[in-house]
Amino acid sequence: DAEITQSPRHKITETGRQVTLACHQTWNHNNMFWYRQDLGHGLRLIHYSYGVQDTNKGEVSDGYSVSRSNTEDLPLTLESAASSQTSVYFCASSEIAGGTYNEQFFGPGTRLTVL
Amino acid sequence: ILNVEQSPQSLHVQEGDSTNFTCSFPSSNFYALHWYRWETAKSPEALFVMTLNGDEKKKGRISATLNTKEGYSYLYIKGSQPEDSATYLCASHPGNQFYFGTGTSLTVIP
Repeated sequence: DAEITQSPRHKITETGRQVTLACHQTWNHNNMFWYRQDLGHGLRLIHYSYGVQDTNKGEVSDGYSVSRSNTEDLPLTLESAASSQTSVYFCASSEIAGGTYNEQFFGPGTRLTVL
Repeated sequence: ILNVEQSPQSLHVQEGDSTNFTCSFPSSNFYALHWYRWETAKSPEALFVMTLNGDEKKKGRISATLNTKEGYSYLYIKGSQPEDSATYLCASHPGNQFYFGTGTSLTVIP
């Protein structure tokens, strides 16, 4: 069965360190997304990608970067972790049909704590 | 940034009651409206993707309607069951980016 996985599931790091969160999908979807979930804000889009070598900034992209070297993976990097980036991070993938996105499939989430 | 609003923020109903909640979104440049169900300690799962004004979707006891001209969608649950307890999210994507509401948390009391 196709799936979308994230690793690690939990991560504790220190302020100023670089952190990379992995996202891998076997749906063969072109579109992939990274969100963060914070109390009172719901899910907010960090970055998204339409396909290999394509990346775009979302609503809350400052301090984050992504790269897309293949269809399956979209790693999210925090260049210099800050306490404000403590959150739960979700990766998702989707296809486009008729000019609109189909349903998104979400990974299990990564809980990141920055001390 | 798009303002997608959901109401109420939380809801407690008795088992067997029917209930509904609202998602409001800007009606300009509309592409699609998504509904997701999010159980505690799990990931959001899609319920409906709605694209046409007047669209109605149904899955079992859950249904949704869409009014793109006035910018709202309703989600209905008929005969609520304890397993319906979850947070229900809506999301709009006017173009390339998704904007989620903060969700309606539903608790069904046995």
